[in-house]
Amino acid sequence: KQEVTQIPAALSVPEGENLVLNCSFTDSAIYNLQWFRQDPGKGLTSLLLIQSSQREQTSGRLNASLDKSSGRSTLYIAASQPGDSATYLCAVSSRDSGYALNFGKGTSLLVTP
Amino acid sequence: DTAVSQTPKYLVTQMGNDKSIKCEQNLGHDTMYWYKQDSKKFLKIMFSYNNKELIINETVPNRFSPKSPDKAHLNLHINSLELGDSAVYFCASSQDGGGIRNQPQHFGDGTRLSIL
Repeated sequence: KQEVTQIPAALSVPEGENLVLNCSFTDSAIYNLQWFRQDPGKGLTSLLLIQSSQREQTSGRLNASLDKSSGRSTLYIAASQPGDSATYLCAVSSRDSGYALNFGKGTSLLVTP
Repeated sequence: DTAVSQTPKYLVTQMGNDKSIKCEQNLGHDTMYWYKQDSKKFLKIMFSYNNKELIINETVPNRFSPKSPDKAHLNLHINSLELGDSAVYFCASSQDGGGIRNQPQHFGDGTRLSIL
């Protein structure tokens, strides 16, 4: 059964710092890995999707990498801003879950001015 | 234009009641999902459905049932509500892509269910 772990659970950084969020998964037979952002009381916003055949994806200040064989992904946020404060969720899609997403418990990020 | 919309946004009801949550997507996707986010903010899949198959997470009580009147809708019916059903329920959709399954899932804003 697929298990997804995110480290750290919470992170506080001053504005302007570059930071890395980590995600690991136990079963490497995935279709894709998706990073989301969730603001308090809101739904999920998709940030990046990496297909199992890809190594990384970039969108603006965000870069996500995938090492499927070792079961790891990282989300790199460059030049963090207070508006980046949110919970970041990592999720993987695989056949044994009916293509649904298995989520980690998230990293709660606070960027202070 | 809202891509995945859920109604109601908030639902407060008594234990033992039966309730429904509606979900509609205007993305033309062929697969829809229901997820539950518990009090610790952990998201877990409940159902995955397209016009070919329904896949149920085995941990979901049979008091919960998805109903799909058409490809754009997947409603969630809950019978005999219990205190432990209090949570946020999210609907999502994605495009199958001919079985490739490499399209992102799009989520609604959630329905906050509180059982008194």
